[in-house]
Amino acid sequence: AQKVTQAQTEISVVEKEDVTLDCVYETRDTTYYLFWYKQPPSGELVFLIRRNSFDEQNEISGRYSWNFQKSTSSFNFTITASQVVDSAVYFCALSEPNSGGYQKVTFGTGTKLQVIP
Amino acid sequence: AAGVIQSPRHLIKEKRETATLKCYPIPRHDTVYWYQQGPGQDPQFLISFYEKMQSDKGSIPDRFSAQQFSDYHSELNMSSLELGDSALYFCASSPVGDVNEQFFGPGTRLTVL
Repeated sequence: AQKVTQAQTEISVVEKEDVTLDCVYETRDTTYYLFWYKQPPSGELVFLIRRNSFDEQNEISGRYSWNFQKSTSSFNFTITASQVVDSAVYFCALSEPNSGGYQKVTFGTGTKLQVIP
Repeated sequence: AAGVIQSPRHLIKEKRETATLKCYPIPRHDTVYWYQQGPGQDPQFLISFYEKMQSDKGSIPDRFSAQQFSDYHSELNMSSLELGDSALYFCASSPVGDVNEQFFGPGTRLTVL
């Protein structure tokens, strides 16, 4: 069964600090996808990134960067120079095919990030 | 760009009442997923449909049922509502040929009093 672990329940940082959100996953499949979503207080799920299991290249998008390491089953997310608007709950998620080939997404328990001005 | 539409956005019901949540996927998306997110929890997969057929089932209570219609919209029917059903319900859709790309709707916040 697939599982996603986000060990950090809550993190507080001061504005402009860098922060890394950890994500460790478990899966028996060789083909899977990993995601990060942001959930601001308003409640919607904002898609941040998708990475497939065959692409270990790290990615940078503005102040966001992701470090995917299959050897340690980790997909960590770093925010550089954090801003108050980054305050939200961040979910790491995993999808893998079921017997019928269809996907469902398994979410981690989320990390609540508070950026203090 | 068109997004997943969910209605209503907010719903208040009494215990033992019924509720129907609607989801309109992005055009040309044929797969729909439903998730339930309780307060302070992560979203949990309930059920999914592909081409109007149920494709997977998660932790969906027997009091809940869902279907996908010929126009690909989906409805989640919830009966005998309980206080514990209060949650944010997300619908997501996937395009033809790429079930790994799930686009989430804004959610319906259900409150059961």
